[in-house]
Amino acid sequence: DADVTQTPRNRITKTGKRIMLECSQTKGHDRMYWYRQDPGLGLRLIYYSFDVKDINKGEISDGYSVSRQAQAKFSLSLESAIPNQTALYFCATSSTGTDVYGYTFGSGTRLTVV
Amino acid sequence: DAKTTQPPSMDCAEGRAANLPCNHSTISGNEYVYWYRQIHSQGPQYIIHGLKNNETNEMASLIITEDRKSSTLILPHATLRDTAVYYCIVRPKAAGNKLTFGGGTRVLVKP
Repeated sequence: DADVTQTPRNRITKTGKRIMLECSQTKGHDRMYWYRQDPGLGLRLIYYSFDVKDINKGEISDGYSVSRQAQAKFSLSLESAIPNQTALYFCATSSTGTDVYGYTFGSGTRLTVV
Repeated sequence: DAKTTQPPSMDCAEGRAANLPCNHSTISGNEYVYWYRQIHSQGPQYIIHGLKNNETNEMASLIITEDRKSSTLILPHATLRDTAVYYCIVRPKAAGNKLTFGGGTRVLVKP
């Protein structure tokens, strides 16, 4: 099983719908992140959480919300999806002690908003 | 975090060394150079990092100039599986663990 699991892998949804992307990890890491990647571009940070009670906005948080249900679970929600949120979404984890070379990424969720 | 400049794309021949440049002329004394790569829409994968000295691991070598304003990632014997986007990232080691990705270099390894 993958260390960082994202569900669903692919999703097509309609404009205005609420959608949740889920991420779970078995790494035992305390830090979790959500990134978005648009075609041909690098990843951009949406939200991050350094522990269960800590939630922080990244550079592009508008239109998104997150929930850290447990140390191992970090969900990303689009309250009312819009077409320009069509992108590839990645969850990542890291540990306080391992610095940025300790990032582990999930396989991604490809979201299409029509 | 210091800004980095990488060529948008480059080709290299299978079995040859691939040398990927990165300019970071505004790098600060406490900032490290990190390299990640992303293979065809998979999650990015850590390759190597360094501060001042050259570094080598099982994946690659990192050469940092003496003034630290640029660096080169070397894949010693490129294989087709090395085709990917390579990201050079400069940041302090203890800056909250947040990674910021630029556009990267799209490397195509050709047979």
